Amino acid sequence: DIVMTQSPDSLAVSLGGRATINCKSSQSIFFSSDNKNYLAWYQQKPGQPPKLLIYWASTRESGVPDRFSGSGSGTDFTLTISSLQAEDVAVYYCQQYYTTPFTFGPGTKVDIK
Amino acid sequence: QLQLQESGPGLVKPSETLSLTCTVSGGSISSNVYYWGWIRQPPGKGLEWIGSIYYSGITYYNPSLKSRVIISVDTSKNQFSLKVRSVTAADTAVYYCARHNEGQQLYEALHFWGQGTMVTVSS
Repeated sequence: DIVMTQSPDSLAVSLGGRATINCKSSQSIFFSSDNKNYLAWYQQKPGQPPKLLIYWASTRESGVPDRFSGSGSGTDFTLTISSLQAEDVAVYYCQQYYTTPFTFGPGTKVDIK
Repeated sequence: QLQLQESGPGLVKPSETLSLTCTVSGGSISSNVYYWGWIRQPPGKGLEWIGSIYYSGITYYNPSLKSRVIISVDTSKNQFSLKVRSVTAADTAVYYCARHNEGQQLYEALHFWGQGTMVTVSS
């Protein structure tokens, strides 16, 4: 199985500040045939299902604010929230869908400082 | 607007079979561009992909659960279902159904999610 790790486990950022979450896969999830990284980011608020934010490592889902951005390739990826808003308090998960079993990172909790 | 709704018993006894159904509305499960999946989340823990199915019945399972899991589809009812047999307390979780992103392949992100249903395994 591909193991996904995330860092940090949690972080607190001031309103309007930048939040950076890192995700690492135990093997490359880049498929050269289509030049895509099979990596997604999800946001989960308490009592709610996960919400897809980013797919193909950097493609923002429709309706997701542009303060959310994804970057990286191969085994190392980053989710950046450029200007943290109160409604961004949540747990963020990365997920690889390169090969089955699809696996998720353990999550990073983002709070307001 | 696409909606997915999980349904089934909230309490299952150890060693019995957990059975859940996901009803799809606002879209057709028979569309050939989507896969449909089940994911679970134990209380306070992370997410685990259980498996996914295509409208034709093609299935993919997580090997960690494969021997106990069956996912099936009923296109006439616009539903797909999950059965987990021989459950233990470790199967206690919120179970989500979801639709993969459009792409006619399994290897797509999980786009739309149901609200989830809590299943507790206890005698």
